[in-house]
Amino acid sequence: SQQGEEDPQALSIQEGENATMNCSYKTSINNLQWYRQNSGRGLVHLILIRSNEREKHSGRLRVTLDTSKKSSSLLITASRAADTASYFCATDASDKIIFGKGTRLHILP
Amino acid sequence: EAGVAQSPRYKIIEKRQSVAFWCNPISGHATLYWYQQILGQGPKLLIQFQNNGVVDDSQLPKDRFSAERLKGVDSTLKIQPAKLEDSAVYLCASSFGDTVYEQYFGPGTRLTVT
Repeated sequence: SQQGEEDPQALSIQEGENATMNCSYKTSINNLQWYRQNSGRGLVHLILIRSNEREKHSGRLRVTLDTSKKSSSLLITASRAADTASYFCATDASDKIIFGKGTRLHILP
Repeated sequence: EAGVAQSPRYKIIEKRQSVAFWCNPISGHATLYWYQQILGQGPKLLIQFQNNGVVDDSQLPKDRFSAERLKGVDSTLKIQPAKLEDSAVYLCASSFGDTVYEQYFGPGTRLTVT
């Protein structure tokens, strides 16, 4: 069953620009996590935001959560070539973790 | 700190054959997950263990897939018999506790069924 869906499916930006990707989900959640996957390092946890939080920061990452709209966004500032990867949101509802299909981000030199 | 270990990294088998994957989680992590990731999609949870016990196996095709976690540490996932649609990357992950905690993923096993 599909819980979280990322948007856009693919995104290409110039190095140094900001990248924003969104995740929408269907049912109430306990928390939402963002993961990055590239061929070099596999699937890596980026950030976890709980349902009672609205915004979290980690380095160049900013995550927001709007539970009324059932959506989250991931902002990567000052993008680098190393940010080229697929980004997944994972929602935790009723103790079940469900991943979306991901956004493929490509950073152009 | 050693990460999650998986083996083999790659496996090619013919349909109707059987295959097994092994996972060693991070030391001290109580929860272990097996995911199936088909090309172009996100990981799909197959089974979640909390120590020795199964927490969720609702998406595990139990007619052909089986998994066990002996002594609450290592785990094996088996497919018997394999079908063409089982071609995917099988990811193992572990976390300190339940779903509130971040998951650490292994490198995965890429399975090709011909």
